[in-house]
Amino acid sequence: GENVEQHPSTLSVQEGDSAVIKCTYSDSASNYFPWYKQELGKRPQLIIDIRSNVGEKKDQRIAVTLNKTAKHFSLHITETQPEDSAVYFCAASIWWSGGYQKVTFGIGTKLQVIP
Amino acid sequence: DAGVIQSPRHEVTEMGQEVTLRCKPISGHDYLFWYRQTMMRGLELLIYFNNNVPIDDSGMPEDRFSAKMPNASFSTLKIQPSEPRDSAVYFCASSTGTGRAYEQYFGPGTRLTVT
Repeated sequence: GENVEQHPSTLSVQEGDSAVIKCTYSDSASNYFPWYKQELGKRPQLIIDIRSNVGEKKDQRIAVTLNKTAKHFSLHITETQPEDSAVYFCAASIWWSGGYQKVTFGIGTKLQVIP
Repeated sequence: DAGVIQSPRHEVTEMGQEVTLRCKPISGHDYLFWYRQTMMRGLELLIYFNNNVPIDDSGMPEDRFSAKMPNASFSTLKIQPSEPRDSAVYFCASSTGTGRAYEQYFGPGTRLTVT
């Protein structure tokens, strides 16, 4: 089955600096890679995603890159703010036109933005 | 829409007791997922359904766990008998196979404590 590794497990940055979280996956059939943010005591929520036919996607201060050859993808947060403090999960998923979907999450990265 | 609804939000029970967690997915969503979240293992996919049919239950830890989806608007996850190591937050999530087919919407979770 799919194995998703996520690094680092914790990350502290100064407000305004950038944060990078990296994930690797094992199943070359994976074709959809979402990132979820989970604030303390709350549910995970999708913040950005990328599909295997795209190498990079950006949405304001967050961006995700994908290297299918190396089987790794990364989340980049620029100009970090205290409200970015949360646990971030990467995931690798197989989505086919027939609707089959299987998703494996990384262990999570606890990001702390220091004011 | 009220989003994914889970009940109860908190459950405290003694070892050996039966526990039933409930989930109501977003109306119109045809995929339903059950996850378990712990500090040690992160977010683990237990089982998921498509059109009320269980598709993959390979994440269900053992026979003490069972899940059902009798109709499109209701699912249960049952643990019988419960053990202290089952203590975790259990999330239900739903998604749709059409339109933006990839995003999973999580419920608020059920925090289970088994003493």
